[in-house]
Amino acid sequence: EDKVVQSPLSLVVHEGDTVTLNCSYEVTNFRSLLWYKQEKKAPTFLFMLTSSGIEKKSGRLSSILDKKELFSILNITATQTGDSAIYLCAVGSGGSNYKLTFGKGTLLTVNP
Amino acid sequence: NAGVMQNPRHLVRRRGQEARLRCSPMKGHSHVYWYRQLPEEGLKFMVYLQKENIIDESGMPKERFSAEFPKEGPSILRIQQVVRGDSAAYFCASSPSEQGISPLHFGNGTRLTVT
Repeated sequence: EDKVVQSPLSLVVHEGDTVTLNCSYEVTNFRSLLWYKQEKKAPTFLFMLTSSGIEKKSGRLSSILDKKELFSILNITATQTGDSAIYLCAVGSGGSNYKLTFGKGTLLTVNP
Repeated sequence: NAGVMQNPRHLVRRRGQEARLRCSPMKGHSHVYWYRQLPEEGLKFMVYLQKENIIDESGMPKERFSAEFPKEGPSILRIQQVVRGDSAAYFCASSPSEQGISPLHFGNGTRLTVT
């Protein structure tokens, strides 16, 4: 059975800190790895990674994939209170991007 | 993502009643996916639909659950004779292209509570 494990499950930091969120996976026929941010409503798409070693960056957020070691990290620098959310990692497998296997998420709390 | 519209946002049903959840995809998207998020669990795939076709329903429970995406109107996820274990957040996503080559964009979800 496909599996996605995120760590830590929760994290509390102060504004300005840098955080690293981890995602490891075991899936059949990997296609892509996606990161989402979930506040009180919809998971909002952040990144989609398909190739190893290529960093994707958007403002203070960045992510990289290691297909040999089967993991990805999501970095957030200079955190702000608005970064407080659940960060979800999902993997598309079986040759598709629609049947995603999600991890349980990392709850990030950024205190002022 | 505000582009995928789901309603209602919250739905309360008593055991044995029917629940109907609606999803309108983003403009220009013709592929719809339903996911369920049980308490303390990750989101789980339920079904993938195109207009008038069910493409993959491998994640749907075998009984009481059905989904459709008619030629006109929103996609509907229907749960008959709801039980407490159906209480969850149901998310719909859409994509413009086949096989989800683009990342999925999710709606705000419907939170179903069965009393």
